[in-house]
Amino acid sequence: DTGVSQDPRHKITKRGQNVTFRCDPISEHNRLYWYRQTLGQGPEFLTYFQNEAQLEKSRLLSDRFSAERPKGSFSTLEIQRTEQGDSAMYLCASSLGAGGTYNEQFFGPGTRLTVL
Amino acid sequence: GQQLNQSPQSMFIQEGEDVSMNCTSSSIFNTWLWYKQDPGEGPVLLIALYKAGELTSNGRLTAQFGITRKDSFLNISASIPSDVGIYFCAGQETSGSRLTFGEGTQLTVNP
Repeated sequence: DTGVSQDPRHKITKRGQNVTFRCDPISEHNRLYWYRQTLGQGPEFLTYFQNEAQLEKSRLLSDRFSAERPKGSFSTLEIQRTEQGDSAMYLCASSLGAGGTYNEQFFGPGTRLTVL
Repeated sequence: GQQLNQSPQSMFIQEGEDVSMNCTSSSIFNTWLWYKQDPGEGPVLLIALYKAGELTSNGRLTAQFGITRKDSFLNISASIPSDVGIYFCAGQETSGSRLTFGEGTQLTVNP
């Protein structure tokens, strides 16, 4: 049974560079979520997809952030022109859908981004 | 916006003691979830609650969905060293939508 996987686990970049993260959800999970977590805080919602449709975006998701899920399977999160304030753990989660136990979101190990 | 207040922020207990932590919200949630997170890892789902008043157990863990739909608590009985970690509550307003997380409770268990 494969859980949610994320790649890379760690990324160090210089300010101004672009970075892209990948998330592979649990097989047959049609909802995929992105969250960001800074040290000492709980995860904060960024955006989520149902299949390939992006259903909601947080106001935290500035114009420099873009997420895609082109075929309804894996998703990518791109940050353009990174800033030091983007340093955080980026978490991906997936769920079967909506309703009862379908609501349960399962998280990947995260990608730790450090912007120098 | 929504706020989830989780308390306590940290707890230092002896092995074998019981632990209780809770979350309160300014908004009504339809689902409450409790997660545990180890350093450098993603949160792991412990318990999910779907109905007001619901009491659910998972081994030594018991959680309740408050009848006002604005609070939830988690109890851990007979704590062991591997219970160490950060526990997060999370609420969901609409089925299948975003989760709003509390600030976490850091649990330390002394052998």
